[in-house]
Amino acid sequence: ETGVTQTPRHLVMGMTNKKSLKCEQHLGHNAMYWYKQSAKKPLELMFVYNFKEQTENNSVPSRFSPECPNSSHLFLHLHTLQPEDSALYLCASSPWAGGSYAQYFGPGTRLTVT
Amino acid sequence: AQKVTQAQTEISVVEKEDVTLDCVYETRDTTYYLFWYKQPPSGELVFLIRRNSFDEQNEISGRYSWNFQKSTSSFNFTITASQVVDSAVYFCALSEATYNTDKLIFGTGTRLQVFP
Repeated sequence: ETGVTQTPRHLVMGMTNKKSLKCEQHLGHNAMYWYKQSAKKPLELMFVYNFKEQTENNSVPSRFSPECPNSSHLFLHLHTLQPEDSALYLCASSPWAGGSYAQYFGPGTRLTVT
Repeated sequence: AQKVTQAQTEISVVEKEDVTLDCVYETRDTTYYLFWYKQPPSGELVFLIRRNSFDEQNEISGRYSWNFQKSTSSFNFTITASQVVDSAVYFCALSEATYNTDKLIFGTGTRLQVFP
């Protein structure tokens, strides 16, 4: 595998479900990011991890819980979501955070909350 | 506050036409970075270019070229001799970097449709 991969690519979940999104990067990077892309809204940064430490939480509701066990893997745990959380969730990585390096994105997970 | 404006919501052209996508940014920082990304229908954002605020030289990469003008706070993107495969949403972004975190501030994107 090369680049940044995300699983699953599509997810439908009820408001009471618990699910997790997975991201893996094969670029040897040390920073990973979660973004949310909703229809008709700009891409929004959610979380930043730099060398496994969370360095940014962009006022994200607690029903989204990130986890970064190592520099190659990033998870987004979801519970009791709302219909307005339906969106494309994109993961990205970069050499490290703080240097304004280019971020490389995965294909995203299309989440639908019913 | 940092902001990126892409005033063109959607552009349609016929193959082989040249097309320019506009990007205007706002920042108080003296050092900053600008980016362009392409998002094809598959959803993945593809990195195209990164430019720092001290380098105002125009850049050309094949059919792609970028015009960075600090005086007008613009970083425009031109595709020469457009092709159907160029159809995508294009995003301009501004980086806000602090010690150990990076924020990319994205514009709302320009959807480019190239017809055969």
